[in-house]
Amino acid sequence: DSGVTQTPKHLITATGQRVTLRCSPRSGDLSVYWYQQSLDQGLQFLIQYYNGEERAKGNILERFSAQQFPDLHSELNLSSLELGDSALYFCASNIAGSYLDTQYFGPGTRLTVL
Amino acid sequence: GENVEQHPSTLSVQEGDSAVIKCTYSDSASNYFPWYKQELGKRPQLIIDIRSNVGEKKDQRIAVTLNKTAKHFSLHITETQPEDSAVYFCAVREFNKFYFGSGTKLNVKP
Repeated sequence: DSGVTQTPKHLITATGQRVTLRCSPRSGDLSVYWYQQSLDQGLQFLIQYYNGEERAKGNILERFSAQQFPDLHSELNLSSLELGDSALYFCASNIAGSYLDTQYFGPGTRLTVL
Repeated sequence: GENVEQHPSTLSVQEGDSAVIKCTYSDSASNYFPWYKQELGKRPQLIIDIRSNVGEKKDQRIAVTLNKTAKHFSLHITETQPEDSAVYFCAVREFNKFYFGSGTKLNVKP
């Protein structure tokens, strides 16, 4: 157990809908990263937050947005869902006080868009 | 941004043999290189990492080597066991972003 939690574990929804994925980082970690992993694919970096502020942005679609709250948990919002958005969504956290900090992954949320 | 290439995409070895997975990257500013093991449907788990001021790091049967000049780093697993079967990802940190390789599916045959 990495100490990073994600809810829900599974999510099944229809095209055009909107969903929210939630991540709680390890105790003491200030930074949260979001990744998308499609079937048999690698990990695509979406976005990073540090202490409530957006720090870096990757290949995140305009239909997707995220935020980090004062208690440091983060939410990833996916809207106008398409079939191709079906994937495993992971968040990871690290302290990010040090430039080279290792990141630890949560168990993921499996999103299925029908 | 960073471009990470990982080879091979699949690797099949006999139990007890060694396995080597290689990654190349493009940005010389990258300075942290972790390796993750991911079992089917589970989270990636860090197995070893190396920083740019070090050329080699070893942890029991696992080692990582880094050649900064050539911009490549490799994962070495010795005395492979069936439980080593999984997908392995290399990653490169460039500033605040992590870039992952496409993964290597390792199959260790008993």
